[in-house]
Amino acid sequence: NAGVTQTPKFQVLKTGQSMTLQCAQDMNHNSMYWYRQDPGMGLRLIYYSASEGTTDKGEVPNGYNVSRLNKREFSLRLESAAPSQTSVYFCASRPGGTGVYSNQPQHFGDGTRLSIL
Amino acid sequence: KQEVTQIPAALSVPEGENLVLNCSFTDSAIYNLQWFRQDPGKGLTSLLLIQSSQREQTSGRLNASLDKSSGRSTLYIAASQPGDSATYLCAGSGYSGGGADGLTFGKGTHLIIQP
Repeated sequence: NAGVTQTPKFQVLKTGQSMTLQCAQDMNHNSMYWYRQDPGMGLRLIYYSASEGTTDKGEVPNGYNVSRLNKREFSLRLESAAPSQTSVYFCASRPGGTGVYSNQPQHFGDGTRLSIL
Repeated sequence: KQEVTQIPAALSVPEGENLVLNCSFTDSAIYNLQWFRQDPGKGLTSLLLIQSSQREQTSGRLNASLDKSSGRSTLYIAASQPGDSATYLCAGSGYSGGGADGLTFGKGTHLIIQP
């Protein structure tokens, strides 16, 4: 009963390095999301994917790219990490779709704690 | 742009008390409102989801209400227990179809239940 799995759980990078945060869900959900959580700011949406093959920007997309690799996996990439991207990153998913599926809650992973020096 | 505010930011009460957490939102065209619980170092756990057409939802000792006209939601916790200690987040969903709606979160209420 894994739900949403994020890897890695912790990571320290140097400014300018790149890395990819991985997210996978085993609930056959259509929609997937990336959020960041910062002290005093709450959670903010970075990117989302309504379905396999589609991605859209959220509130704070600058400095990030995403890939919806297949229905299960949605990755977040930092091409050139900056100290301002130090944060806790959460991936979430929900069934998506219309009708009865449009009002289902999002399920969250345990997060990736990323520090950029 | 939707903005979500939670009051109070922190709350400490003795075990057994009933308590209310407040959430307000600026855009009444909300599709649904969700309440989450977050434990330290953990992800978010969905507690209740209220659709825009509903007034309230209940799960065990939790009851959440939604008043779109006033832009408010409340989470009522009955007979609080030390295990209820956590941060409680409310979030509004503003997209009415396609299932791609991201959530706009409040900053949370940090709740401590004293044994």
